[in-house]
Amino acid sequence: EIVLTQSPATLSLSPGERATLSCRASQTVTIYLAWYQQKPGQAPRLLIFDASNRAAGIPARFSGSGSGTDFTLTISSLEPEDFAVYYCQQRNNWPPTFGGGTKVELK
Amino acid sequence: QVQLVESGGGVVQPGRSLRLSCAASGFTFSSYAMHWVRQAPGKGLEWVAVISYDESSKYYADSVKGRFTISRDNSKNTMYLQMNSLRAEDTAMYYCAKERGIYSGTRGPFDFWGQGTLVTVSS
Repeated sequence: EIVLTQSPATLSLSPGERATLSCRASQTVTIYLAWYQQKPGQAPRLLIFDASNRAAGIPARFSGSGSGTDFTLTISSLEPEDFAVYYCQQRNNWPPTFGGGTKVELK
Repeated sequence: QVQLVESGGGVVQPGRSLRLSCAASGFTFSSYAMHWVRQAPGKGLEWVAVISYDESSKYYADSVKGRFTISRDNSKNTMYLQMNSLRAEDTAMYYCAKERGIYSGTRGPFDFWGQGTLVTVSS
């Protein structure tokens, strides 16, 4: 089973700042990595799939990069609604697995 | 618009059974694989099971294999999760989620999610 390690666990930032979230895989997942956003009391929402493709309706301030074992989710300028928990998920190997999450909190 | 509505959660004693349902609308249900993903209170996401669009393939996480059974009824646009021999560690919010790719894939990504149904296993 592929283990996804997300860092940092918590990111304290202010609106307008840039957020950089990391996801590292225990072995290569090629480009088959997705990012999800989850707000309290809500279901997760797909942001990015296959490392760098924005899902439908996702604002351009969200971008993904990386391949192999190292991936990054970048939020170029944080909006108030972006404070949430973010999870990465791989689909390259069986079973699909999620990272432990990064909480982006208001500083 | 795509809508997924889970039901069937509740409080159940260890060792007992529960059946969850996921009613889908707003897309051609019979063309997509469907998943169950769970989240224990205050914890991260854990993939549970998947069923292919035509029911030909079903896969489970090791943690539930042999105890949970996934199924679907394409005529009713509904997916199910039969959970037997429930344990305290099965306590979680259970989400149904739609596979993004049509007629393909059983590993995600998951482009639409329901709001979840809470299962609590406690004596």
